[in-house]
Amino acid sequence: GAVVSQHPSWVICKSGTSVKIECRSLDFQATTMFWYRQFPKQSLMLMATSNEGSKATYEQGVEKDKFLINHASLTLSTLTVTSAHPEDSSFYICSAGDPSGRHTGELFFGEGSRLTVL
Amino acid sequence: QQPVQSPQAVILREGEDAVINCSSSKALYSVHWYRQKHGEAPVFLMILLKGGEQKGHEKISASFNEKKQQSSLYLTASQLSYSGTYFCGTALRVTSGSRLTFGEGTQLTVNP
Repeated sequence: GAVVSQHPSWVICKSGTSVKIECRSLDFQATTMFWYRQFPKQSLMLMATSNEGSKATYEQGVEKDKFLINHASLTLSTLTVTSAHPEDSSFYICSAGDPSGRHTGELFFGEGSRLTVL
Repeated sequence: QQPVQSPQAVILREGEDAVINCSSSKALYSVHWYRQKHGEAPVFLMILLKGGEQKGHEKISASFNEKKQQSSLYLTASQLSYSGTYFCGTALRVTSGSRLTFGEGTQLTVNP
């Protein structure tokens, strides 16, 4: 299957700092990528849809000024958590679908990034 | 609209069968099933597209009842490796980069 890679896999930061998470599609071009957040023992909640070359689409209740998304190329989307606070500690996962049609409808997930804010 | 999964949790002995259900109040294009182990990213199991599709891989299969907007995942002769949390994700539009909404998950534990 197609491969989506995330970096870093984990990060610990101090409250008030910003953290950037990268999501790359390694063997296909993704015009759209999705960012999810998952708290312990809970479901994956869609935060935003990242669109290459245009603004991201945020889900209701997600602060766009706090969670900055940039999708500057067809293989890279970044999520920046600005002025992080302990309540932002979570597992952040990106995903993308291969538009070539090789994997009909399948959504490929990155490995996830575990953020801990002290 | 988040799909509803049932049961929330199930405990099996190795070799037993289980069924996990997923239902939506909205018309669906596709249903996706994933399994997630603790601390890891979800792993794709299968996708069912509109039209009463059924699929299977080894001892895991699934069906999609378009009229009822329901999907079921069938785990036959469960193995220890089947343990994990199973999520169904539903998509409303026909795009390869589907915007999925996930259910709350079903925690499956398979004991020896």
